[in-house]
Amino acid sequence: QQQVKQSPQSLIVQKGGISIINCAYENTAFDYFPWYQQFPGKGPALLIAIRPDVSEKKEGRFTISFNKSAKQFSLHIMDSQPGDSATYFCAATTTSGTYKYIFGTGTRLKVLA
Amino acid sequence: KAGVTQTPRYLIKTRGQQVTLSCSPISGHRSVSWYQQTPGQGLQFLFEYFSETQRNKGNFPGRFSGRQFSNSRSEMNVSTLELGDSALYLCASSLMTGMNTEAFFGQGTRLTVV
Repeated sequence: QQQVKQSPQSLIVQKGGISIINCAYENTAFDYFPWYQQFPGKGPALLIAIRPDVSEKKEGRFTISFNKSAKQFSLHIMDSQPGDSATYFCAATTTSGTYKYIFGTGTRLKVLA
Repeated sequence: KAGVTQTPRYLIKTRGQQVTLSCSPISGHRSVSWYQQTPGQGLQFLFEYFSETQRNKGNFPGRFSGRQFSNSRSEMNVSTLELGDSALYLCASSLMTGMNTEAFFGQGTRLTVV
């Protein structure tokens, strides 16, 4: 019940295309869902996050879509660029006192020039 | 504003030795969490400290321990190192109070056990 399932494991997209990464969770107590971007040799960097009281959040080319009833959320990268090539992790946590994130297994994105 | 600082960046240790990793959080952040990242297991939660108190602990053996100092800096220690402890160890800094749960990661310490 603590798992966050992420797919696909890897993704290749043409420059200018849309990259879509999906995550699913079981624990209905989760109420904060961030996405992290990690480049080789670096720590994960917070990209965008959403809470379940909204169905969509957009920041620049990055959009999170959230489906509370299906317990799923996804990251959409519009106009994907080669510089977006990285590993993306979804995560989930509760704001009521567990003080830890549960991470998905990661998606390695490659954007072709 | 300075980010999360982890030292050292790289470590090579021998099986059976112990190691101490250090993390300095973002100024004003009192929560420090530690994660282990490996290709096979992904990012796994080790423990979280807030105001020098451990509030949660992941499913790791007792060889993994940590502490936090009054200035919020944190250390984690791994004793009797095993080959399987080779990983990237990440520290995350957060306000972690109420709805403020954004966590910011350092660059990590790459530990290699030989």
